[in-house]
Amino acid sequence: DQQVKQNSPSLSVQEGRISILNCDYTNSMFDYFLWYKKYPAEGPTFLISISSIKDKNEDGRFTVFLNKSAKHLSLHIVPSQPGDSAVYFCAAHGAGNMLTFGGGTRLMVKP
Amino acid sequence: KAGVTQTPRYLIKTRGQQVTLSCSPISGHRSVSWYQQTPGQGLQFLFEYFSETQRNKGNFPGRFSGRQFSNSRSEMNVSTLELGDSALYLCASSLVGLNTEAFFGQGTRLTVV
Repeated sequence: DQQVKQNSPSLSVQEGRISILNCDYTNSMFDYFLWYKKYPAEGPTFLISISSIKDKNEDGRFTVFLNKSAKHLSLHIVPSQPGDSAVYFCAAHGAGNMLTFGGGTRLMVKP
Repeated sequence: KAGVTQTPRYLIKTRGQQVTLSCSPISGHRSVSWYQQTPGQGLQFLFEYFSETQRNKGNFPGRFSGRQFSNSRSEMNVSTLELGDSALYLCASSLVGLNTEAFFGQGTRLTVV
């Protein structure tokens, strides 16, 4: 039973436009969410996080939105750049420092 | 500040053998977690160590074990290797407390033949 889901395995966006990556979760006990960017054969790189007491967190070109009632979060990247092309994972913080990851979305930003 | 360091980066082992992977966390980080990434199962939590004690454990067989030393460095061990254990093994370190980010190492690519 997947507690964190990223329903879009891939997304293609033109350079300069907005990229929107989505994530849904089922466990209402999750109270902290993170987004990671990953290149093949490397470890995930932390991008941005959000606590369940907030509905938005912004860091430069990256904004994460949380809709707690819908158990949905999204990552917006504006403007998208070719260097943003990677696999993006959302993760939810569980007991201790345990993270439950979604399946990932491959983002391709075309020049 | 140095990041999370995992050694070795690549390993090839034969079925039935055992393997030990090493992780040095970011200085000051006392929580170390291990994850397995495979194409079919994605990123899955193995276990977390804090103060030399296993604090959380994922749904993996007992062949997967770990430990943490007093300097927070951690090792994970897989015994009686199976072909399905071929994966990227990732270590993450965190500060201890509420709402902390996990920082990952580059991983160890294990291939079982």
